Amino acid sequence: GAVVSQHPSRVICKSGTSVKIECRSLDFQATTMFWYRQFPKKSLMLMATSNEGSKATYEQGVEKDKFLINHASLTLSTLTVTSAHPEDSSFYICSAVSGLTDTQYFGPGTRLTVL
Amino acid sequence: SQQGEEDPQALSIQEGENATMNCSYKTSINNLQWYRQNSGRGLVHLILIRSNEREKHSGRLRVTLDTSKKSSSLLITASRAADTASYFCATDAIAGNTPLVFGKGTRLSVIA
Repeated sequence: GAVVSQHPSRVICKSGTSVKIECRSLDFQATTMFWYRQFPKKSLMLMATSNEGSKATYEQGVEKDKFLINHASLTLSTLTVTSAHPEDSSFYICSAVSGLTDTQYFGPGTRLTVL
Repeated sequence: SQQGEEDPQALSIQEGENATMNCSYKTSINNLQWYRQNSGRGLVHLILIRSNEREKHSGRLRVTLDTSKKSSSLLITASRAADTASYFCATDAIAGNTPLVFGKGTRLSVIA
């Protein structure tokens, strides 16, 4: 079946630093990828839609200058959390939509802890 | 995005009992899916039911969908301690290639 990977799986950083999270579709091409955020004991909330070769679309309340998204190829999207603060600590999950089947496949998530 | 609701928010049952979780959503949908998530881990896809389907089975799972009431239920029969997890429903709009809208989830605890 289709596989989506995320790297890193866990990251701890100091406040003020930037962290890059990669989302890769390993065996299919994805023109669209989605980034979700999940706070402890809460559900997943969509942050942004990432389309290959174009600017990402951000949900209301998500700062585009803080959460930089780059979808440079059909198999890779990156989310960079800039100038991270403790309140950015969360579980970040990406999903990739197969261009062939329109099915959405989820990555395993990245746990970000900002000290 | 308009998030759906699950009820109950938390459910605690004994091993061997059945667990029923409900989900309601707000807009017209293409599909409804149920996911499982163990604490601190990624999502595991359980089952997908299309808007023109009313019931679907997969092993110990039974899902129903009532589009007139905009609701779905997930039944886990003969529960096991290993079923302890959070369960989320997620819907996608008729437009396709759209993000999933997740419900708030039900935390299920199965006590051995």
